[in-house]
Amino acid sequence: GAVVSQHPSWVICKSGTSVKIECRSLDFQATTMFWYRQFPKQSLMLMATSNEGSKATYEQGVEKDKFLINHASLTLSTLTVTSAHPEDSSFYICSASPGARGYTEAFFGQGTRLTVV
Amino acid sequence: TQLLEQSPQFLSIQEGENLTVYCNSSSVFSSLQWYRQEPGEGPVLLVTVVTGGEVKKLKRLTFQFGDARKDSSLHITAAQPGDTGLYLCAGVRNQFYFGTGTSLTVIP
Repeated sequence: GAVVSQHPSWVICKSGTSVKIECRSLDFQATTMFWYRQFPKQSLMLMATSNEGSKATYEQGVEKDKFLINHASLTLSTLTVTSAHPEDSSFYICSASPGARGYTEAFFGQGTRLTVV
Repeated sequence: TQLLEQSPQFLSIQEGENLTVYCNSSSVFSSLQWYRQEPGEGPVLLVTVVTGGEVKKLKRLTFQFGDARKDSSLHITAAQPGDTGLYLCAGVRNQFYFGTGTSLTVIP
């Protein structure tokens, strides 16, 4: 099946610094990529949808200036958490879809555990 | 409010028992998917159902899509500790809508 690689798997950073998380589709071109946030034993909360070459669409309540998303190529999307604070600590997951509209099937990265101290 | 509600939210059962997880909505979906997620990992797709009334089996797991394509169920027969994880349904309309999740623990 299609492989999506997310890096890093975990990161610890100091409050006030920025952290970049990468999401790569290894064997297919991802027209659409999704970024999610997840709290322990809870479902995925969609943060934003990004299409290659265009600005990401953020869900209501998600600060676009804090969570910067770049989808510069068909195989790479990045999420940068700027000026991170302890409340940003969470599990972040990306998914990538090869579909033209991105809504047929999606493949998930392994997630990134972010801890802000 | 979530478009897809799963029940139960938490389930703890003994090895060998059967269980059913429900995924309900008032909205119609073009397809519905079930995922299992283990701690610290991303969700893994188990199955996609497309046709109303469709039933799919994956070893001890049986998935059913409601006739009206608004709901789905996942039935596990003779649960094993390896079935432990977070089960998520996801409906597809104009985007993916994830259910509220069911955390399953199978006790040896």
